[in-house]
Amino acid sequence: NAGVTQTPKFQVLKTGQSMTLQCAQDMNHNSMYWYRQDPGMGLRLIYYSASEGTTDKGEVPNGYNVSRLNKREFSLRLESAAPSQTSVYFCASSRWSGQNEKLFFGSGTQLSVL
Amino acid sequence: AQTVTQSQPEMSVQEAETVTLSCTYDTSESDYYLFWYKQPPSRQMILVIRQEAYKQQNATENRFSVNFQKAAKSFSLKISDSQLGDAAMYFCAYRELGTSYGKLTFGQGTILTVHP
Repeated sequence: NAGVTQTPKFQVLKTGQSMTLQCAQDMNHNSMYWYRQDPGMGLRLIYYSASEGTTDKGEVPNGYNVSRLNKREFSLRLESAAPSQTSVYFCASSRWSGQNEKLFFGSGTQLSVL
Repeated sequence: AQTVTQSQPEMSVQEAETVTLSCTYDTSESDYYLFWYKQPPSRQMILVIRQEAYKQQNATENRFSVNFQKAAKSFSLKISDSQLGDAAMYFCAYRELGTSYGKLTFGQGTILTVHP
């Protein structure tokens, strides 16, 4: 049972380069989320998708785009990477938007922008 | 907007002793959820405990318990009989009632070191 799978696990970019972080879950969850984790700031929500076909901004959406490709996959794109986007990125999923449901996290992507 | 504050960047405890991690939050809502997550060096995020604000009884999960003070907007985590495997970063988190389950507001985190 793979759960939430993120690729790649590590990435180094130069300023201005673009890249897409991939996330897939095999639990038939409706809702998926992207967080970033920075030292001293905890995790902050970037974007989320409550259900297939919908996406919404979280707390820190600037500089990112997302695509809910299908029910399983939710990608995060950096169009022009900046050093401020150096962070650890987590994808998460839950069965549906609502109460009393567990949140499942991927293992994270360590991104460095030089 | 809701905020969650963990004022202890680092804490340490001796194995088998008890330690309390602090968390305060700010909200104008009367109903909400609070969580403690554990993040070991593997970066995995593990739910430790959850508290519904409308419940007066403090949540407990084995060696982990909370002290929920709604009026003071305080939500501390007590770890009893600390074990080496408890060493990790601990995050306090908040969620509004009726919002997506993954729409959490996290605190800054507290690094817990357990000494043998």
